[in-house]
Amino acid sequence: EIVLTQSPGTLSLSPGERATLSCRASQSVSSTYLAWYQQKPGQAPRLLIYGASSRATGIPDRFSGSGSGTDFTLTISRLEPEDFAMYYCQQYGSSPRAFGQGTKLEIK
Amino acid sequence: QVQLVQSGAEVKKPGASVKVSCKASGYTFTSYYMHWVRQAPGQGLEWMGIVNPSGGGTTYPQKFQGRVTMTRDTSTSTVYMELNSLRSEDTAVYYCARGYGAGSYDPFDPWGQGTLVTVSS
Repeated sequence: EIVLTQSPGTLSLSPGERATLSCRASQSVSSTYLAWYQQKPGQAPRLLIYGASSRATGIPDRFSGSGSGTDFTLTISRLEPEDFAMYYCQQYGSSPRAFGQGTKLEIK
Repeated sequence: QVQLVQSGAEVKKPGASVKVSCKASGYTFTSYYMHWVRQAPGQGLEWMGIVNPSGGGTTYPQKFQGRVTMTRDTSTSTVYMELNSLRSEDTAVYYCARGYGAGSYDPFDPWGQGTLVTVSS
């Protein structure tokens, strides 16, 4: 069973700054099967990135994903006010599908 | 557009069962797998299993085996998740989420709006 650990737990930044979120897996994950989701309070999660680096439909290009093996990164190049939310990574290439515990991106 | 609409909030007593529905529209129901994910208050996301709307096959993680059943009704394009022997730790928002692609190993998108299940005596 693959365990995903996200860091930091909370990231405090200002609009316009660059955000870097990390996701580390307990064993190698094919980059084909790594996703990132955004969740705002009271809403369902929304798929941002799949296949480690492909943006889902309608996702702005300020969101980018990278990484391979056990280390993956979500980068938001210039934070907009609507980007402050929870972010989860997920591996979907084996059962059980697993999510990281999340990173809260908050306004500084 | 693709839409997943879930049934309303439920309040159950410990030991009871709950059945949550998820009605799909805007696409060919039998062409995409459906997942169930739950989120306890203030907590992260937990995968509960997958159902194949075409043949009805299911896969559950060990944690939920024997306690969860996922089914589908192709005539109404609806999937169901039933959880038995409820306990207080099952209090959570339950989401259905469709596979982004047509395979069983695809990310999840879109998601239903969520159904709050409260277990309390």
